[in-house]
Amino acid sequence: SQQGEEDPQALSIQEGENATMNCSYKTSINNLQWYRQNSGRGLVHLILIRSNEREKHSGRLRVTLDTSKKSSSLLITASRAADTASYFCATDGTGGFKTIFGAGTRLFVKA
Amino acid sequence: GAGVSQTPSNKVTEKGKYVELRCDPISGHTALYWYRQSLGQGPEFLIYFQGTGAADDSGLPNDRFFAVRPEGSVSTLKIQRTERGDSAVYLCASSPGGVGNTIYFGEGSWLTVV
Repeated sequence: SQQGEEDPQALSIQEGENATMNCSYKTSINNLQWYRQNSGRGLVHLILIRSNEREKHSGRLRVTLDTSKKSSSLLITASRAADTASYFCATDGTGGFKTIFGAGTRLFVKA
Repeated sequence: GAGVSQTPSNKVTEKGKYVELRCDPISGHTALYWYRQSLGQGPEFLIYFQGTGAADDSGLPNDRFFAVRPEGSVSTLKIQRTERGDSAVYLCASSPGGVGNTIYFGEGSWLTVV
């Protein structure tokens, strides 16, 4: 079973616009991570946010975490066509090391 | 090596055959994960190794699936009596171990059972 649920399932925007993707999860976590995947192969790690952090930035990426709502958001600012990919959130449960992924948001950035 | 290496990258096999998928993690990484991903879905956890031992194999779908990591480095995922429903990308990942470490993925092995 999957712990995280991303929404929207798919998102289509114009180049230059911001893209926001949300993730909700079910159980307490130690960390939440966002990954990117092109063409169904090889996930690339984007950013990790710990349960005691509320916001984190990396370049054009901004991640927020609200543990009271069990949710996170990934914001990509000034999107580019090269940002077209699937984005997944993944959580480490407090009970162990297993990292569980959501079903992903498919982002399409039109040039 | 520089990254997680998986072989083969593609494998087509007939229903009922036995398949082995290999993963070579990043040198020094004690944690190793196997995931399975079907089209349009997120990676589904299969098994997690810490060193040589399977710390969590709760994601293995049934007893046709087995994984080993005898020397704490390379791991092999073994699938017996393959079924068409086993067709998926099998992803391997490694991390330095411990909670909060980034997991690094290989490019995956695409298995097609015909």
